[in-house]
Amino acid sequence: SQTIHQWPATLVQPVGSPLSLECTVEGTSNPNLYWYRQAAGRGLQLLFYSVGIGQISSEVPQNLSASRPQDRQFILSSKKLLLSDSGFYLCAWSPPDFDTGELFFGEGSRLTVL
Amino acid sequence: GQNIDQPTEMTATEGAIVQINCTYQTSGFNGLFWYQQHAGEAPTFLSYNVLDGLEEKGRFSSFLSRSKGYSYLLLKELQMKDSASYLCAVRDSNYQLIWGAGTKLIIKP
Repeated sequence: SQTIHQWPATLVQPVGSPLSLECTVEGTSNPNLYWYRQAAGRGLQLLFYSVGIGQISSEVPQNLSASRPQDRQFILSSKKLLLSDSGFYLCAWSPPDFDTGELFFGEGSRLTVL
Repeated sequence: GQNIDQPTEMTATEGAIVQINCTYQTSGFNGLFWYQQHAGEAPTFLSYNVLDGLEEKGRFSSFLSRSKGYSYLLLKELQMKDSASYLCAVRDSNYQLIWGAGTKLIIKP
């Protein structure tokens, strides 16, 4: 069976510090991978998605970046965090064929920037 | 622009029935999804509608009318564990999901 895991679960960082959130998927090959951010009272905001190694599409211009160094690994990074980067970050995967389009989410990472 | 509207919060009684509505305006349509999200947790998939009509899955049903840009999620025999946020999402012509802000459902005994 397929599993997705992201870490860390909780992070408190000062403004201007770097960020690295990691996500790995097991039990499937060539998944589509996604990073979302969820702010309180708002819908999920797609930040990045990837259909293959080294292929990253950015949906929102900002100080965040993403990388996919391996087929089942997706990393969200920032060189200098802003207060507005606080939120609940979710990694997700979907099958490559867009069949039903169902997304499978990781446990989430709650980031607080102080 | 693309827009998904759903009520911010609803309250219902344990054992009762509740209907959560969702209206959408998107660039194309390739399916509508409902997800459940408990506080502090990740969303989990509930249902998928791509054709008009009702899809039933146990205590949960989801309805779609593409001509009206409208869907609802029907929860029967409510249980306390159903207290959660319910997210409506539409897949657009680019196969990207557009998400509503979610409806927080509060179940009272």
